Amino acid sequence: RKEVEQDPGPFNVPEGATVAFNCTYSNSASQSFFWYRQDCRKEPKLLMSVYSSGNEDGRFTAQLNRASQYISLLIRDSKLSDSATYLCVVKQYKLSFGAGTTVTVRA
Amino acid sequence: DAGVIQSPRHEVTEMGQEVTLRCKPISGHNSLFWYRQTMMRGLELLIYFNNNVPIDDSGMPEDRFSAKMPNASFSTLKIQPSEPRDSAVYFCASSLTTGTYEQYFGPGTRLTVT
Repeated sequence: RKEVEQDPGPFNVPEGATVAFNCTYSNSASQSFFWYRQDCRKEPKLLMSVYSSGNEDGRFTAQLNRASQYISLLIRDSKLSDSATYLCVVKQYKLSFGAGTTVTVRA
Repeated sequence: DAGVIQSPRHEVTEMGQEVTLRCKPISGHNSLFWYRQTMMRGLELLIYFNNNVPIDDSGMPEDRFSAKMPNASFSTLKIQPSEPRDSAVYFCASSLTTGTYEQYFGPGTRLTVT
């Protein structure tokens, strides 16, 4: 079983829509959780950390459910520039990356 | 400020040849990571260094792969001999420490082995 699993998508949504997706992780001892963003043919970049109580960063909301071992990301009022692959990342003593969920926002 | 620098950006080589990928981490960062990304396997950690010392190389696929970090500002990942299944994008990343969750990735080296 992979350490971090994500629905690869793609999620195709119109501008202004809300899109949400999850990832699951297998190691209950995981300590920290993050979402990274990767644009096509570019390097991954940190989008936001995920805290136990849930957290927002502008139009992005991340949530963690430790009991069920999943993390979610919600994007409100999506923009064309949100089109990217979103990597779920889990840290125990090193970062483990999911394969990514591709989001395409269309005009 | 310069980010993580990798060279070459693209490499095409024939099976059996030696390939050397280079990385210069962000100045002041003590941890350096080498990743490989393919469509099939996603982003995989190959090896990481802390203060120039290899800490975990369990992700290195086999003995054909080796990595060095002779000083704080330079690291290499070598594949010898290369095989077509090594074709991938190889990323180098650095962070302040291994405990720091934000890793800064270089632009990657796109390797094609024919």
